[in-house]
Amino acid sequence: NAGVTQTPKFQVLKTGQSMTLQCAQDMNHNSMYWYRQDPGMGLRLIYYSASEGTTDKGEVPNGYNVSRLNKREFSLRLESAAPSQTSVYFCASRGPNNSPLHFGNGTRLTVT
Amino acid sequence: QKEVEQDPGPLSVPEGAIVSLNCTYSNSAFQYFMWYRQYSRKGPELLMYTYSSGNKEDGRFTAQVDKSSKYISLFIRDSQPSDSATYLCAMSAQGTYKYIFGTGTRLKVLA
Repeated sequence: NAGVTQTPKFQVLKTGQSMTLQCAQDMNHNSMYWYRQDPGMGLRLIYYSASEGTTDKGEVPNGYNVSRLNKREFSLRLESAAPSQTSVYFCASRGPNNSPLHFGNGTRLTVT
Repeated sequence: QKEVEQDPGPLSVPEGAIVSLNCTYSNSAFQYFMWYRQYSRKGPELLMYTYSSGNKEDGRFTAQVDKSSKYISLFIRDSQPSDSATYLCAMSAQGTYKYIFGTGTRLKVLA
């Protein structure tokens, strides 16, 4: 009963390095999301995917790219990491209509 | 003004107390309301999901929505130390992909 699985759990990058955060869900959900969570700012939407093959920008998309590889997987890529991208990143998925979001346990990223 | 306001706390209560957590919002289009619990270094976990106004109860947890006042509450009865976490409210409007989150209230239940 995995739900939403994120890898890696922790990562440290130097400024300018790139990396991809992986997310997979086993609930057969169409919609998937990437959020970042920062102290005092709550959860902010980076990118959203309504279904396989579609992606849309959220509130804070700059510096990120995404790929909806298939129905299960939605990855987030940082092409050139910056210290401002130090954060905890959460992937989420949901069922149809206004179903609630289900979250993974996050990736804690530090950019030095 | 933020769309959703939530007191960050921390809120400290003794074990067994009734806890009241609240959010206010400004967008009258919101119809779906959620409460999440987040333990340290974990992802948000769905606690309650309600549609429109009214109450919903699940064990020790009760969610209330007052759309006329744009105010939602989560009550925790017989609070336990294991309830110590950050509680996030979230809401969305019909037919939209957007979920708006409060910044969370830190709760500490003291044994």
